[in-house]
Amino acid sequence: DVKVTQSSRYLVKRTGEKVFLECVQDMDHENMFWYRQDPGLGLRLIYFSYDVKMKEKGDIPEGYSVSREKKERFSLILESASTNQTSMYLCASSFPIVPGQGSPLHFGNGTRLTVT
Amino acid sequence: QKEVEQNSGPLSVPEGAIASLNCTYSDRGSQSFFWYRQYSGKSPELIMFIYSNGDKEDGRFTAQLNKASQYVSLLIRDSQPSDSATYLCAVLNQAGTALIFGKGTTLSVSS
Repeated sequence: DVKVTQSSRYLVKRTGEKVFLECVQDMDHENMFWYRQDPGLGLRLIYFSYDVKMKEKGDIPEGYSVSREKKERFSLILESASTNQTSMYLCASSFPIVPGQGSPLHFGNGTRLTVT
Repeated sequence: QKEVEQNSGPLSVPEGAIASLNCTYSDRGSQSFFWYRQYSGKSPELIMFIYSNGDKEDGRFTAQLNKASQYVSLLIRDSQPSDSATYLCAVLNQAGTALIFGKGTTLSVSS
């Protein structure tokens, strides 16, 4: 079974802190993704990466950055946490997505971040 | 901004009935479509995917795709209380790089 592990289930941080959310996958997936999920807004893509040291902005990258130094690890960084970044953060991974075919995302358990 | 639209619900059906969940998408170039189920407090898990027009069946689940109408649906036959969850429709963007999710439809199956 694919395992996507997020380092923390719950985090509480103060406004202005630098926050690191870590994600590790064990299936040698090329693609990794960070989403946030908010009530009424659904899942929104923050950043994704399709190779080591590669990154692409998703729909809502403002206030975030990412790091992918190793294939299995994808980190989301909140440079200066703000209260509007309080959310559920979900990491996912997959093999290369071939248009016209499946290549499902496998999600981690999520990190619920509260910024006070 | 490419969009994926779902009725938020809640959709309520009695046990044993057919639940029909619908999704429309705006990107005509989309080629792959996914249905995920998410239980409260849990992560999304894949139910099935479809990329050809028509129906695809997997057990009690049937996905239906109509690219001309930009419409994809999920039918759940013989609905069970354990099917009560939020169902997320996801569409692969035209660049083929990431999934765009709808906001989800909450299904409630009463026994």
